[in-house]
Amino acid sequence: AQSVTQLDSHVSVSEGTPVLLRCNYSSSYSPSLFWYVQHPNKGLQLLLKYTSAATLVKGINGFEAEFKKSETSFHLTKPSAHMSDAAEYFCVVSYTSGTYKYIFGTGTRLKVLA
Amino acid sequence: DSGVTQTPKHLITATGQRVTLRCSPRSGDLSVYWYQQSLDQGLQFLIQYYNGEERAKGNILERFSAQQFPDLHSELNLSSLELGDSALYFCASSVGHANTGELFFGEGSRLTVL
Repeated sequence: AQSVTQLDSHVSVSEGTPVLLRCNYSSSYSPSLFWYVQHPNKGLQLLLKYTSAATLVKGINGFEAEFKKSETSFHLTKPSAHMSDAAEYFCVVSYTSGTYKYIFGTGTRLKVLA
Repeated sequence: DSGVTQTPKHLITATGQRVTLRCSPRSGDLSVYWYQQSLDQGLQFLIQYYNGEERAKGNILERFSAQQFPDLHSELNLSSLELGDSALYFCASSVGHANTGELFFGEGSRLTVL
């Protein structure tokens, strides 16, 4: 069965330091992978997506993610955290075969310390 | 602004009651997805419609039903409400049905059941 695992439920970083949010997925077919961000009391917003083009994907607000097939990972990174990055982040996988729904990870809450 | 509109934003009702949540997808999007987000269960996929037809079903209770109308707006009906139905309900839309494109989320309808 398809699944996605976000390895950390909470991550705390200091402002100006790098961010790493980890995501692993199970793979039966070629996946499409996404990262979404949710600020408090808001809907989810797409940060970036991978759909079998370049393995290093650049998104909005300085975020990027690297698709590593050998490790079945799609970790989200940012070189320097900003206070406004504090939010919940969701890794999402979908598959091109069958009529599968989007599968959401359980989320990682990012806290940015001043 | 994602272009997805959800109403109402907030709803407070009593156990045993019935409510209807409404979603207008982004212009041109044919697929509508409904999700439930609660603290204890995270983000749960409920159901997907594509161009008026049910496309995929997730963890949707029998007390819940949905439909998509010819103008592509969708309604989620929740009946015989229980305290545990209190949650944030999101609607999302996408262009196609193949689950590979970006999902655009509304800001959600917060349901409180007292």
